[in-house]
Amino acid sequence: QVQLQESGPGLVKPSGTLSLTCAVSGGSISNTYWWNWVRQPPGKGLEWIGEIYHSGSTNYNPSLKTRVIISVDKSKNHFSLILSSVTAADTAVYYCARDDGSGSPYFDYWGQGTLVTVSS
Amino acid sequence: SYVLTQPPSVSVAPGQTARITCGGDIIGTYSVHWYQQKPGQAPVLVVYDDSDRPSGIPERFSGSKSGKTATLTISRVEAGDEADYYCQVWDSLSDHRVFGGGTKVTVL
Repeated sequence: QVQLQESGPGLVKPSGTLSLTCAVSGGSISNTYWWNWVRQPPGKGLEWIGEIYHSGSTNYNPSLKTRVIISVDKSKNHFSLILSSVTAADTAVYYCARDDGSGSPYFDYWGQGTLVTVSS
Repeated sequence: SYVLTQPPSVSVAPGQTARITCGGDIIGTYSVHWYQQKPGQAPVLVVYDDSDRPSGIPERFSGSKSGKTATLTISRVEAGDEADYYCQVWDSLSDHRVFGGGTKVTVL
């Protein structure tokens, strides 16, 4: 059973950089899946941030592309999110999720989520 | 990018049927997936590829699609089905994932 666990600071200052890691257990991050970040502002809906393959290939939401970097560390079996120049609008629960790697991928495993608050 | 439109809320009495729609130009082209999210929890996949159910999801949850609208149907609604539901599509041209705005299902 694959498990994902997010970790990182829960508070980031405005104009600062948000940095989160998702540890993958119960399976190798080098399998044929894409590894994703999804966020949810308080009381709002889900927003896809981006994804990475174990090769390092990435895809990003166009609305966040200029501020986002997703990376993978196969030796540690985890992947990471960096979001720069954050504002209060970036306050959200951040989830990592695996997509199933099929022809029309869906998210079959999710982390529990971690709340990141942007505030001074 | 594509937009998926869901009704903000649906109310249903216990034992009745809830229908949640997801509309958009992209619907007719790609498979639609549905997630259930209860307060304070991560989303859970309840329907994938328009109408398939993951193991462990009750048969009361079903999906369908016609034209530019996909529908998640919850039959014999129970109090435990009260949650937010999101549709999601993968746009293969851009390789982006898109979520609908979500529908809050209230069991009366």
